[in-house]
Amino acid sequence: GAVVSQHPSWVICKSGTSVKIECRSLDFQATTMFWYRQFPKQSLMLMATSNEGSKATYEQGVEKDKFLINHASLTLSTLTVTSAHPEDSSFYICSARKGTSDTGELFFGEGSRLTVL
Amino acid sequence: GQNIDQPTEMTATEGAIVQINCTYQTSGFNGLFWYQQHAGEAPTFLSYNVLDGLEEKGRFSSFLSRSKGYSYLLLKELQMKDSASYLCAVQDSNYQLIWGAGTKLIIKP
Repeated sequence: GAVVSQHPSWVICKSGTSVKIECRSLDFQATTMFWYRQFPKQSLMLMATSNEGSKATYEQGVEKDKFLINHASLTLSTLTVTSAHPEDSSFYICSARKGTSDTGELFFGEGSRLTVL
Repeated sequence: GQNIDQPTEMTATEGAIVQINCTYQTSGFNGLFWYQQHAGEAPTFLSYNVLDGLEEKGRFSSFLSRSKGYSYLLLKELQMKDSASYLCAVQDSNYQLIWGAGTKLIIKP
């Protein structure tokens, strides 16, 4: 089946630094990728929709200047948490939609756990 | 507003059958997904329903009734490894996923 890989899977950083998380579709092309955040014992919260070659669409309440998303190719999207603070500590998950259709199946990355000290 | 409802927690016995229900109210409908999520891991895809009826995949089956805004996930021959959270998600008219809070399934020997 299709594979989506996230890197790093675990990152610890100091407050004020920036962290970049990569999401790659390894064996398929993905025009659209999604970034989610999951707080403990809560469901996934969609942060933004990333479309290849265009600006990401952010959900209400998500700071686009803090969570920078880049989708430069059909197999790679990146999420950069800028000037991270302890409240940004969370599990960040990406998913990629296979193909170019809006009905393509979604495949999830393994997730990246961010801890900000 | 958009809303997905599913039970918070369910308990079942190893070898038995369990049905996890999901009701939804969304702006448009373009399919319903079920995902399994073990603690600390990303969700894994289980099923996708866009037409009414039952979809069977091995021990797991998923049912959809669009007129009732209702779906269920049926797990047969439960195994201890099925202990996980099960997330129901609906794709709305903009093809964005609206997530339920998940149902924590506890399997007892």
